[in-house]
Amino acid sequence: ETGVTQTPRHLVMGMTNKKSLKCEQHLGHNAMYWYKQSAKKPLELMFVYSLEERVENNSVPSRFSPECPNSSHLFLHLHTLQPEDSALYLCASSQVSGVGEKLFFGSGTQLSVL
Amino acid sequence: AQTVTQSQPEMSVQEAETVTLSCTYDTSESNYYLFWYKQPPSRQMILVIRQEAYKQQNATENRFSVNFQKAAKSFSLKISDSQLGDTAMYFCAFLNSGGSNYKLTFGKGTLLTVNP
Repeated sequence: ETGVTQTPRHLVMGMTNKKSLKCEQHLGHNAMYWYKQSAKKPLELMFVYSLEERVENNSVPSRFSPECPNSSHLFLHLHTLQPEDSALYLCASSQVSGVGEKLFFGSGTQLSVL
Repeated sequence: AQTVTQSQPEMSVQEAETVTLSCTYDTSESNYYLFWYKQPPSRQMILVIRQEAYKQQNATENRFSVNFQKAAKSFSLKISDSQLGDTAMYFCAFLNSGGSNYKLTFGKGTLLTVNP
């Protein structure tokens, strides 16, 4: 069992649909992250939760709504997306202690918006 | 704001040979961390190697080593004895010291192909 699990692996949705991405970490970490990975662009940090509180929201459109019900689970709720939102969405976790800890990533959800 | 530049979008190497991936960064900070992450076709990013800026000694992890030139703000990754399983996207990343991991800045990546 991998440390960070993301579902679904692939998702195709219309612009009017509502869907959710799920992430679960089994590592006992205290922080979780959503990243967007688009072709030929650096990874873009979307949201960060530390101790279940949102500590970072990088000017992400409101059509993306995160939820962190506990330290092991993270969701990204999607509604009325645009075609340019098609990308790989990566979840990560870490144990934050201020000394440059590494991130543990899931395998991502490949999202296609039609 | 920090920036990370990977000037080689794609590279290829023959199996068992050595390859070096380039990374430069821009920062006014004196203490920070640098990382190389690998993303194979499975899409799961994995940490390859980590360097603390205040340490002069270059980090090594088995076949992977870095050439850290702090004055030049350069952080290249050397892969020795390349293996087919090294085929992946490689991302260089920067993190300010004292900040939480959410301040991690990534480069655009280098796609490395190891040929048999």
